[in-house]
Amino acid sequence: DAGVIQSPRHEVTEMGQEVTLRCKPISGHDYLFWYRQTMMRGLELLIYFNNNVPIDDSGMPEDRFSAKMPNASFSTLKIQPSEPRDSAVYFCASSFGARTEAFFGQGTRLTVV
Amino acid sequence: RKEVEQDPGPFNVPEGATVAFNCTYSNSASQSFFWYRQDCRKEPKLLMSVYSSGNEDGRFTAQLNRASQYISLLIRDSKLSDSATYLCVVDTGGGNKLTFGTGTQLKVEL
Repeated sequence: DAGVIQSPRHEVTEMGQEVTLRCKPISGHDYLFWYRQTMMRGLELLIYFNNNVPIDDSGMPEDRFSAKMPNASFSTLKIQPSEPRDSAVYFCASSFGARTEAFFGQGTRLTVV
Repeated sequence: RKEVEQDPGPFNVPEGATVAFNCTYSNSASQSFFWYRQDCRKEPKLLMSVYSSGNEDGRFTAQLNRASQYISLLIRDSKLSDSATYLCVVDTGGGNKLTFGTGTQLKVEL
């Protein structure tokens, strides 16, 4: 099993540009999570999906952030326009069933300059 | 009060020592509890789930105290390879909202 696959692994972009992060969950998993990790705030849940439907997006910081899951094997997190304070590591994770082990991708390290 | 709180550490301990971490949570309705491990610049990985009766996996023991709303992780006979950040995870909302603590850093030294 390939595990959760995220792309790109690293992204450096200029303030104001649009950034799209991609995630392929583990096949058969019905939950998908997007987290953001910074030194100051740790791992924060941004949004999660169940069977491709967004369930809780209360962690999305503001309207500049949006997430989609068009099918069971693909999700995107978009930031438009990006700002330097968005610099962080963004993790995607998936799980099978509720309250079970979440498997994380390797993360996307985003730097906005 | 934060939903999940941990002492950030770092805990610096000699090899072979026993070390314990605690984590408190605010939602009395939480039902699922986990400890994850995260190595530097890597993704978090499940270390162990925490069951009501407590559970043990080799040198690692996890306990849950519902009355006081905390979970603990005990590591016996620490190894250099145990050096990492240990994240407490609790379901904090309806459905499957898993909230991570900010982590406790452990450094095992010779």
